[in-house]
Amino acid sequence: GAVVSQHPSRVICKSGTSVKIECRSLDFQATTMFWYRQFPKQSLMLMATSNEGSKATYEQGVEKDKFLINHASLTLSTLTVTSAHPEDSSFYICSASGGGTNTEAFFGQGTRLTVV
Amino acid sequence: AQSVTQLDSQVPVFEEAPVELRCNYSSSVSVYLFWYVQYPNQGLQLLLKYLSGSTLVESINGFEAEFNKSQTSFHLRKPSVHISDTAEYFCAVSVPSGSARQLTFGSGTQLTVLP
Repeated sequence: GAVVSQHPSRVICKSGTSVKIECRSLDFQATTMFWYRQFPKQSLMLMATSNEGSKATYEQGVEKDKFLINHASLTLSTLTVTSAHPEDSSFYICSASGGGTNTEAFFGQGTRLTVV
Repeated sequence: AQSVTQLDSQVPVFEEAPVELRCNYSSSVSVYLFWYVQYPNQGLQLLLKYLSGSTLVESINGFEAEFNKSQTSFHLRKPSVHISDTAEYFCAVSVPSGSARQLTFGSGTQLTVLP
């Protein structure tokens, strides 16, 4: 099956700094990537949808200036949490679709972000 | 818009016993249905999916789910669970048109298999 790699798996950063999370499709071209956020013991909430070469579409309530998404190539999307604060601590998961399938997206392993 | 309801947040069950994790959805259009499994601090793994055709779908590790359109349900079942099945299970839907891979998730069910 298709493989999506997310890096880093864990990151701890100081309040006020920025953190970049990468999501790569290893064996297919990901025309669309999705970024989700998951709070402890809760479900995944879609943050934004990005199509390669286009600006990301953010869900209501998600600050686009705080969560910068770049999808510059068909195999890589990045999420940058700018000026991180403790309330941004969460589990971030990406998913990617493409390669001729429009029925399924493939998930990365997730990134545990802790802001101290 | 679509929504997904997983009625049971936690399901404890003894090893080798049967289990059913319930999932109901709401949508004004046809949907695709998915079950994902998540182990601690990991991403989601697709367990099984219903797109069309036979309403009973099976996974390679013994889980099955049946799409019931009249009851708008997609319950997940396994006749005999193992300790290794302990995980969080998410039901999700997407719509065939538009951004078909954009998923709406239920709140999840923590399955704990007890020895």
